[in-house]
Amino acid sequence: DGGITQSPKYLFRKEGQNVTLSCEQNLNHDAMYWYRQDPGQGLRLIYYSQIVNDFQKGDIAEGYSVSREKKESFPLTVTSAQKNPTAFYLCASSNGMTGELFFGEGSRLTVL
Amino acid sequence: EDQVTQSPEALRLQEGESSSLNCSYTVSGLRGLFWYRQDPGKGPEFLFTLYSAGEEKEKERLKATLTKKESFLHITAPKPEDSATYLCAVQESGGSYIPTFGRGTSLIVHP
Repeated sequence: DGGITQSPKYLFRKEGQNVTLSCEQNLNHDAMYWYRQDPGQGLRLIYYSQIVNDFQKGDIAEGYSVSREKKESFPLTVTSAQKNPTAFYLCASSNGMTGELFFGEGSRLTVL
Repeated sequence: EDQVTQSPEALRLQEGESSSLNCSYTVSGLRGLFWYRQDPGKGPEFLFTLYSAGEEKEKERLKATLTKKESFLHITAPKPEDSATYLCAVQESGGSYIPTFGRGTSLIVHP
């Protein structure tokens, strides 16, 4: 089955630690995205990538980093510089410049 | 000011009680408007795309409509399994193709 796989589903981190969230897709989509979702908030864009080896900052990129070395993979690193990292993180992909996004199941990060 | 505003924030219905959710937008030119359903602890699932005023799309008990300034998601005779958060997103023409999401409407349907 085609889709997007995010891992881990739940992650706990101590303050000062970097963590990496995995996102893999087998839909052959060019574009991939990372969103953050907080209670009562809409989805806020962290980073997006239209092609391999290229990515752009979204609205809330500070404290995050990404890479796009393969078409299928778009990992997100939450660095210790992110002041409020506890949130639900969603990875998505799309076929070209369409607003029809396919989402993964999400990763919930909690900072202890 | 938010480009995409959804109302109400939360809605409680009895099973069979039809209602509508609203999504208003302020972009100057609309490329597309998208509705998603999100279950608790899950990623959003795509429902509909609307491109121009007057367009309508239907899926089971859901019907999405579009005017020049807003979209409605009509839910006819809802069932408890329709309980979810419904998200609206707008893609602006001439700008970044990245869709902007509203904050969602949390729908609970009681049996």
